[in-house]
Amino acid sequence: SYELTQPPSVSVSPGQTARITCSADPLPKQYAYWYQQKPGQAPVMVIYKDSERPSGIPERFSGSSSGTTVTLTISGVQAEDEADYYCQSANSSGTHVVFGGGTKLTVL
Amino acid sequence: QVHLVQSGAEVKKPGASVKVSCKASGYTFTGYYMHWVRQAPGQGLEWMGWINPNSGVTNYVQKFQGRVTMTRDTSIFTAYMELSSLRSDDTAVYYCARGGGPSTGYYFDYWGQGTLVTVSS
Repeated sequence: SYELTQPPSVSVSPGQTARITCSADPLPKQYAYWYQQKPGQAPVMVIYKDSERPSGIPERFSGSSSGTTVTLTISGVQAEDEADYYCQSANSSGTHVVFGGGTKLTVL
Repeated sequence: QVHLVQSGAEVKKPGASVKVSCKASGYTFTGYYMHWVRQAPGQGLEWMGWINPNSGVTNYVQKFQGRVTMTRDTSIFTAYMELSSLRSDDTAVYYCARGGGPSTGYYFDYWGQGTLVTVSS
């Protein structure tokens, strides 16, 4: 089965850069998407197609892809960025959606 | 602007069924797939499947096959997700989410506010 693996938690101080990785097994052939979820709220897309940013999402959010790993980078982290982040893709046949387990970003 | 408004919280007994609605506005209802994603308390996101509102074709995760039914009523721009034979581990927040399909790639650009379904005797 297709799996996406994320670190359970990442901690950074305000103003620093946070990097959240998402490793795919086996090699992904589909784009990756990233969602931010704050407590009690629905998820919000912050990156689509590996590295594109939806309108309204701050420029400090960026995405990249290399081999089997996609990375969400938040530059100049702010307190409001504290949330759970989920990567999402699809299996190679494009029939099913897969979510990573989620990463809790803590702003110290 | 795009809005997805879901029905209210439900409390059900084990073995019962629940039907959650998701009313769409602000876009062409038949132009995007509607997905359903659930989240158990303190857990991650779990995709359940999609419905193509244009054709009514559905695609369910095997785990839910036989228990889930996704339908739509295009006259009132509303999608539905019905889950039967409820168990305690079906307790979760259920989200509808607008997104892509097999030809465009799967993504979720707008989400409903979520519906808490509690299964308890």
